[in-house]
Amino acid sequence: KAGVTQTPRYLIKTRGQQVTLSCSPISGHRSVSWYQQTPGQGLQFLFEYFSETQRNKGNFPGRFSGRQFSNSRSEMNVSTLELGDSALYLCASSNLHSNTEAFFGQGTRLTVV
Amino acid sequence: EDQVTQSPEALRLQEGESSSLNCSYTVSGLRGLFWYRQDPGKGPEFLFTLYSAGEEKEKERLKATLTKKESFLHITAPKPEDSATYLCAVQASPNNNDMRFGAGTRLTVKP
Repeated sequence: KAGVTQTPRYLIKTRGQQVTLSCSPISGHRSVSWYQQTPGQGLQFLFEYFSETQRNKGNFPGRFSGRQFSNSRSEMNVSTLELGDSALYLCASSNLHSNTEAFFGQGTRLTVV
Repeated sequence: EDQVTQSPEALRLQEGESSSLNCSYTVSGLRGLFWYRQDPGKGPEFLFTLYSAGEEKEKERLKATLTKKESFLHITAPKPEDSATYLCAVQASPNNNDMRFGAGTRLTVKP
């Protein structure tokens, strides 16, 4: 069974640009969550999508957005990039029900210069 | 507000020296507590889910336990390959899957 796939693995962008990251969940999983991981703040929840609908959102500015497609693949977008957006962005997928384990992808390392 | 605190921040052990990692939490209704292992530059790897006080789960040299206030990850006779950051997370909301993570414990096992 294939795991969670995130693309690209590494990305370098300039301040002010925008970026789109992609996540393909485990087959059959309909919930996709996104997290930002930095050395200072640790892992922080960005948002969760389930059946193409945003179900929950963390405490991040509106520059961070996402969407989910009918095949459960998800994308997140960050507009007007800031230096502080440099982080490892992780996607996790889980099956239909809550309280079940989430499986993470390898992440996308975003560096903003 | 939901809070997860892990201790110690870092732990250095000799190979074979057993120890425990702590995760204390404050949530308004625990739905699940999760342990993950993370190697540098990689995504977290799922280890255990615990749902209720008194529950225990084991996998190889690892054993996770849960009380109403905290969880412990016991590592028995660790090996150098157990070196990693161990993350604890709680899920409190009944209708979605977001998790609140602790800062992690960085474990180093010396041969």
